[in-house]
This record gives sequence, structure tokens and C-alpha cells, in this order.
Amino acid sequence: EPEVTQTPSHQVTQMGQEVILRCVPISNHLYFYWYRQILGQKVEFLVSFYNNEISEKSEIFDDQFSVERPDGSNFTLKIRSTKLEDSAMYFCASRLDRGARQPQHFGDGTRLSIL
Amino acid sequence: GENVEQHPSTLSVQEGDSAVIKCTYSDSASNYFPWYKQELGKGPQLIIDIRSNVGEKKDQRIAVTLNKTAKHFSLHITETQPEDSAVYFCAATNNNDMRFGAGTRLTVKP
Repeated sequence: EPEVTQTPSHQVTQMGQEVILRCVPISNHLYFYWYRQILGQKVEFLVSFYNNEISEKSEIFDDQFSVERPDGSNFTLKIRSTKLEDSAMYFCASRLDRGARQPQHFGDGTRLSIL
Repeated sequence: GENVEQHPSTLSVQEGDSAVIKCTYSDSASNYFPWYKQELGKGPQLIIDIRSNVGEKKDQRIAVTLNKTAKHFSLHITETQPEDSAVYFCAATNNNDMRFGAGTRLTVKP
């Protein structure tokens, strides 16, 4: 079964540094998402992306965050100047079609640790 | 925006017993309600979903019910097994961003 893959599985970064988290969505999917999960807490929506632009973003997704689909397969989340509170699991998800109420398929996440 | 509440936060059952997790949502436009199971170190995995035009759906030991009038939906697991132990999340969406409940940590004791 096709999977969403995320790299790296664990990223350790100094506070203030830039970090890029990478995702390869399922190949024929059209909608892409990033979520964050702080340890022991709920999964929180960050941003959705369709047709090479952001569809929606939450209040968490401030100017420090950006997303990009640099080629036909990767979908990246960049945090420009990391803060301690950015430490969390970051999950990428993709969905075939928004209008057909298709499920979102999640990757196994990247654990981001800010020191 | 959508707000999803989930209860209980933890649930412990004996193997073979049933487990029920309940969620409520606020946006009457929500029309799709997936349930995800998250095991340690893994991403959420879809286990069952229900659409707004359906009141109940069953898949082997797992069933979901939806009450659109009351804006609540539930997950029922029967004949629980130790491998059902995980964190379960409900979610609701109206084809836009998905909002998750806070999760229920289910422990099935052998």
C-alpha cells in the first residue's frame, strides 16, 4: 500500500537555526497537510496545500513557517528561526481529493528537538 | 472553526471487554468523521471513518455511530485485544482542514 514518507525521523537543532522537514506524499494525491503534535497532546493542524499554494493555515502557522513543493514529489515545511516551543512531532499527510471526502494518510512523523 | 471534544482521555479495559470513545463537534457543516489509531512512535493510522449521510458503520470488531442532530459520534471496539492498546483520535472535517480530538489512551489488560 502506498505510504507517506517523512525524513528525517529525528531532527535536533539549535534554537534560532532554520530547519526543513521533508515529506513525500502518496504519488497521485493532490492535497497536502502538515500537523504538529507536542508530546502527550493532541494533533494540531498547521497548514493545507493544494495546487502549489496554501489553502488554509492555523494560528500556529505564523511567519516563521513556510511550505513548499519544490518538485513533483517532495513537500517541505521550513521553520526559519526555531524556538524551544517548536519541539514536537511534525506529521505530514496527503489526501487524494478534497471534494470526495477522502481520508488523509499520515506519515510516521519527524521528531524535532530544539536545544 | 471546528472544535472537537473527546472523552475519556484514558480508558482501561480487560481483554474481551468493549471500549467506547465519544466525541462531539461544533461545526454543523462537518461531513466526514475519521478515527485514527496512533501507536508509539508512529503516525496516526486511519482505522474507520463515517460520512455524514450514514448513521452507523461497522468493520469487524470496530463500529462508529454518528448523531448529526446532537453533533456527536462514537467509536466502539468489541472483544478488545492487547494489540488494541494505543491512542485513538477522532476528527471532523467539512472538506477543509481537519480538527482532531485530544485523544484517548486505551489500555487493554490481558
